[in-house]
Amino acid sequence: GAVVSQHPSWVICKSGTSVKIECRSLDFQATTMFWYRQFPKQSLMLMATSNEGSKATYEQGVEKDKFLINHASLTLSTLTVTSAHPEDSSFYICSARDLLAGGGSASTDTQYFGPGTRLTVL
Amino acid sequence: RKEVEQDPGPFNVPEGATVAFNCTYSNSASQSFFWYRQDCRKEPKLLMSVYSSGNEDGRFTAQLNRASQYISLLIRDSKLSDSATYLCVVNRDRRALTFGSGTRLQVQP
Repeated sequence: GAVVSQHPSWVICKSGTSVKIECRSLDFQATTMFWYRQFPKQSLMLMATSNEGSKATYEQGVEKDKFLINHASLTLSTLTVTSAHPEDSSFYICSARDLLAGGGSASTDTQYFGPGTRLTVL
Repeated sequence: RKEVEQDPGPFNVPEGATVAFNCTYSNSASQSFFWYRQDCRKEPKLLMSVYSSGNEDGRFTAQLNRASQYISLLIRDSKLSDSATYLCVVNRDRRALTFGSGTRLQVQP
């Protein structure tokens, strides 16, 4: 199946610093990538939808100036957590939609998840 | 009200048992439905899609009731390796997936 990578897999940083997380689709093209966040014992919550060549769409309550998303190519999206604080500590997961899979049918829409990035802000 | 609701569990069952999980969703416009499995500190992995006619994959059977907006997952002959959190997931209009908070399963020897 399709592979999505994330880098780094974990990061520990000091409060106030910025952290960049990369999400790559390795063997397929993805016009759309999604960024999720998961706090302990909670569900994955969508943060933003990243579209190649255009501005990301953020979910309500997610600050676009704090969580900067860049989707510069069909295989790479980046999420930068700016001025990170301890409350930003979480598991960040991206997913990518295979451009060519499913034949346009919603019922066969296939999204592939990266392995996640665990962020700890001290 | 959450868009996808699941019983968080945990469900503690012995090896070989049959266990069923249920899920309800609130948006009647939801078009596609899935069960994902998530192991501790890992990303979710697709277990199976769920179709209106019901579908089976080995020991796993999924059912969808659109009228009741209800999805189920049945696991037969539980294995120790089935221990994980099972996420009920719905999708609409090829948007991002909406996840339930998950049901934790612990299979005991």
